[in-house]
Amino acid sequence: QQPVQSPQAVILREGEDAVINCSSSKALYSVHWYRQKHGEAPVFLMILLKGGEQKGHEKISASFNEKKQQSSLYLTASQLSYSGTYFCGTETRKNTGNQFYFGTGTSLTVIP
Amino acid sequence: NAGVTQTPKFRILKIGQSMTLQCTQDMNHNYMYWYRQDPGMGLKLIYYSVGAGITDKGEVPNGYNVSRSTTEDFPLRLELAAPSQTSVYFCASSYVGSGEKLFFGSGTQLSVL
Repeated sequence: QQPVQSPQAVILREGEDAVINCSSSKALYSVHWYRQKHGEAPVFLMILLKGGEQKGHEKISASFNEKKQQSSLYLTASQLSYSGTYFCGTETRKNTGNQFYFGTGTSLTVIP
Repeated sequence: NAGVTQTPKFRILKIGQSMTLQCTQDMNHNYMYWYRQDPGMGLKLIYYSVGAGITDKGEVPNGYNVSRSTTEDFPLRLELAAPSQTSVYFCASSYVGSGEKLFFGSGTQLSVL
């Protein structure tokens, strides 16, 4: 049920780019991306609702391939504040309601 | 507007004790969720609810029970606490359940010793 993310961890220097991938074995109705800092609750970044839809948030954007049940998060010109653990969240439908599962997580560290 | 409120923030239990983690939201959200997060790991869905009186299991429901008697409240009950239940617990809510972001509580750090 849990989506799989890759890579598990990445270290960047300020200004470098990164891509985080999220893959699910189930049909998806939406994909969310969240960032979590140590000891805090996850913070919402963006939602993708349709296949092929790309959303942007400052220098962070994402894409959603509905057919492949995959999503990717793109971080460009990384800043120190981007450090944290990134989770994709995937929504699947069940007859009792929509289930929402989080991915395995990607730890991102940005160094000066 | 308080959002999602979880209590307590910290708790230490002895093996075999029981407790209830409280979760309240004031946004009139129909969907509510409970997740647990072990150190260095992702969030795993324990139970969720699509509205008052309707609950369903997630990935890791064993050892937990929930109820949803009102739209606002979604308590999580731990019966016979075990060390494997040591974790951070997050409650979340969303409106409608499709295409809407999750609002999270601040979490409950639970240790079972």
